[in-house]
Amino acid sequence: EVQLVESGGGLVKPGGSLRLSCVASGFTFSSYHMDWVRQAPGKGLEWVSSITRSSTYIYYAASVKGRFTISRDNAKNSVYLQMNSLRAEDTAVYYCARARPYCDGDCSPFYFDYWGQGTLVTVSS
Amino acid sequence: EIVLTQSPGTLSLSPGERATLSCRASQSVSSYLAWYQQKPGQAPRLLIYGASSWATGIPDRFSGTGSGTDFALTISRLEPEDSAVYYCQQYVKSPGTFGQGTKVEIK
Repeated sequence: EVQLVESGGGLVKPGGSLRLSCVASGFTFSSYHMDWVRQAPGKGLEWVSSITRSSTYIYYAASVKGRFTISRDNAKNSVYLQMNSLRAEDTAVYYCARARPYCDGDCSPFYFDYWGQGTLVTVSS
Repeated sequence: EIVLTQSPGTLSLSPGERATLSCRASQSVSSYLAWYQQKPGQAPRLLIYGASSWATGIPDRFSGTGSGTDFALTISRLEPEDSAVYYCQQYVKSPGTFGQGTKVEIK
């Protein structure tokens, strides 16, 4: 059974930092691209960042570029999101998702066939 | 970026009825469109990818059609557990974008 478990969310002040983690199980982690998608309270879904299988390609939404860093450790079946210079508008549930491409290679963007339960990040003073 | 517009905003139907949800793209996305279901307090679940292919474990009362700019998700016979928000997503051009969602209410 595919499982994705996020952790690391919490309350942080504007300008602060937070590191989210997602541990995967039930599939060969190194064979899949991974993404972070967020959802502000009562709002829709917003793609945040993607990392390909071997970390060869990394992509960010314009709203987080330069502030967030995605990484992965295939030996630990984990993907991370380092979030710096946090703003009130970054308040959201952050989901880790397994990503599938529309081609056989590393082409992006992706759709998402499995999602974690999410971790809430609240940016407030 | 490609804008996806979903309609209607809310659909209120009775069990056993047929629901048709629309997703319109601001430019062609070919068949690179997915549909997700999200129930309150839960993560989204993939229903359809490639505009019309079922994800693993999805019942066949859910079906997707369309290509280019106009797409539809049809729930042939509504069941109480289908009450949720449904999102479409395009994944052909970066950044991948989602529609704003359609809420399906079961009377």
